[in-house]
Amino acid sequence: NAGVTQTPKFQVLKTGQSMTLQCAQDMNHNSMYWYRQDPGMGLRLIYYSASEGTTDKGEVPNGYNVSRLNKREFSLRLESAAPSQTSVYFCASSNFRTGRDEQYFGPGTRLTVT
Amino acid sequence: GESVGLHLPTLSVQEGDNSIINCAYSNSASDYFIWYKQESGKGPQFIIDIRSNMDKRQGQRVTVLLNKTVKHLSLQIAATQPGDSAVYFCAENLNSGYALNFGKGTSLLVTP
Repeated sequence: NAGVTQTPKFQVLKTGQSMTLQCAQDMNHNSMYWYRQDPGMGLRLIYYSASEGTTDKGEVPNGYNVSRLNKREFSLRLESAAPSQTSVYFCASSNFRTGRDEQYFGPGTRLTVT
Repeated sequence: GESVGLHLPTLSVQEGDNSIINCAYSNSASDYFIWYKQESGKGPQFIIDIRSNMDKRQGQRVTVLLNKTVKHLSLQIAATQPGDSAVYFCAENLNSGYALNFGKGTSLLVTP
């Protein structure tokens, strides 16, 4: 199992450009999440998908959109990138329906917006 | 505001010593807590978790203690090794498994 995979690993955007961050998991998990991590900070939840077909806002959703394409894939889109969105983005998945809430994280996408 | 916080931003210990990383939480409704380890350039990795109906849980070289009275969580690492050097985050569950609220992290540095 690859676990949680993310693409790309690195990205540089100019202000106003758009891009989609891709995430996939092969653990048959129901729930998937997008977090951002700023220097010296913990992770903040952007959006999550409790199950296929549903998405909900987290703590910092402004400027982002998500799509739960199927059970495996959950993408994060920046429509018009801003320097404040420079961050490391982590995707995670979990199978809380079994009573185990542990979230498994991907390796991250390092995004710089100039 | 920040509901989960860590008392010390950095902790330096000698190899072989025990490490204790502390965490305070403010939401008395939180019923699930988890510790993650994050090495430089990588995503967080699960260490150990604990539910609010427990006071203590042990894993391999790690123990988590939960004191609900004072809303305090700690991670104890026995016989700390250089490979334990990383940032450690505690997180609390706020909404029945859908979201975790992370603290800012404690950087653990293990010196020879």
